[in-house]
Amino acid sequence: EIVLTQSPGTLSLSPGERATLSCRASQSVSSNYLAWYQQRPGQPPRLLIYGASSRATGIPDRFSGSGSGTDFTLTISRLEPEDFAVYFCQQYGRSPRTFGQGTKVEIK
Amino acid sequence: EVQLLESGGGLVQPGGSLRLSCAASGFTFSMYAMNWVRQAPGKGLEWVSTLSGSGGSSYYADSVKGRFTISRDNSKSTLYLQMNGLRAEDTAVYYCAKDPVVGATSGFYFEFWGQGTLVTVSS
Repeated sequence: EIVLTQSPGTLSLSPGERATLSCRASQSVSSNYLAWYQQRPGQPPRLLIYGASSRATGIPDRFSGSGSGTDFTLTISRLEPEDFAVYFCQQYGRSPRTFGQGTKVEIK
Repeated sequence: EVQLLESGGGLVQPGGSLRLSCAASGFTFSMYAMNWVRQAPGKGLEWVSTLSGSGGSSYYADSVKGRFTISRDNSKSTLYLQMNGLRAEDTAVYYCAKDPVVGATSGFYFEFWGQGTLVTVSS
């Protein structure tokens, strides 16, 4: 199975700052089938990005995804208070679908 | 508006059984594959099982194969997960999640998620 490794484990930033989250795959993710989710405490995950760079419906344009092959990035251009949460990447290019372990974005 | 509402979680002893349900609304249920994804307390996410829209194709994670059975009743827009032989490591919040592609039989990203139901396996 494809193992996804996210870094850093925790990102400490202030509102208004830029956040850059990394997701590295143990094998190439076919067709860039890579998604990103946000999970706030006590809430289910919410889809942010699919196909590595396509924003889901209703997602603000401060969220952007990039990358291909084995290296992918989620960027939040300017952090809003509601963006402090845990972020997961997920690949769906090969079965079984797998998730990264998550990156927590916390207020500095 | 898509809504997914899970139920059926609770406390069960090791070796016991439980059946989870997920009531769906806001979309044509039979046209989409549906999934179960779980999250152990304080941990990451793990895909558990997928069932095609017709119910004809099912897929399981190795960790649950032979113990869990996914099913659906399209007339009731409801997804189920029958869990037998439960173990302590099955303790998690179980989420129902909708696939994004009409008519696909398996594996994409998870477009919408329910609020989840907690399953605790303990003596």
